[in-house]
Amino acid sequence: DGGITQSPKYLFRKEGQNVTLSCEQNLNHDAMYWYRQDPGQGLRLIYYSQIVNDFQKGDIAEGYSVSREKKESFPLTVTSAQKNPTAFYLCASSAGLAGVGEQFFGPGTRLTVL
Amino acid sequence: GENVEQHPSTLSVQEGDSAVIKCTYSDSASNYFPWYKQELGKRPQLIIDIRSNVGEKKDQRIAVTLNKTAKHFSLHITETQPEDSAVYFCAATGGFKTIFGAGTRLFVKA
Repeated sequence: DGGITQSPKYLFRKEGQNVTLSCEQNLNHDAMYWYRQDPGQGLRLIYYSQIVNDFQKGDIAEGYSVSREKKESFPLTVTSAQKNPTAFYLCASSAGLAGVGEQFFGPGTRLTVL
Repeated sequence: GENVEQHPSTLSVQEGDSAVIKCTYSDSASNYFPWYKQELGKRPQLIIDIRSNVGEKKDQRIAVTLNKTAKHFSLHITETQPEDSAVYFCAATGGFKTIFGAGTRLFVKA
């Protein structure tokens, strides 16, 4: 079953803790993205990676970190520095050159900070 | 910074009527404009897209128009059906950066 997966589906975290969200794809896509979705708002870009071992900050990168050691994987760490981390997080990947082309989304992880 | 404005935020239509959602973007370097549909509890999925060298594109009941001069693009859904009910997001891409609109919640009443 090809596609993009995220785990876990639901995640609860205590304040002050770091937590890592997993994103894996077997679509052989070079580009991967992390978005945050809040109620009534669109998807806001946290980080993106055009290729292995390279990533760029998006519009709301503060309090987040990523790595891209493998083509298939793009984990997102939500650090204690993120002021309001409770949200729905979506990972996506695309094969398009220069970012042009369909982004395929994972099922999302809902993070709740207690 | 760059942004994409999307209107309306909520749209309610009768089954069989048309629905129009409008977006404007600020980054003149944007060259790719996708539209995504997100059903409740599901992931966004691409329904149609248009590139900057095209003014209009149609796929069955769905069409998108682009006015690069005005930095404006629109989604048109004709003969709406209850299964069209969802949240629709427009987006503008320049390089690898995609900026999404805030979304339009479409209700199609049977």
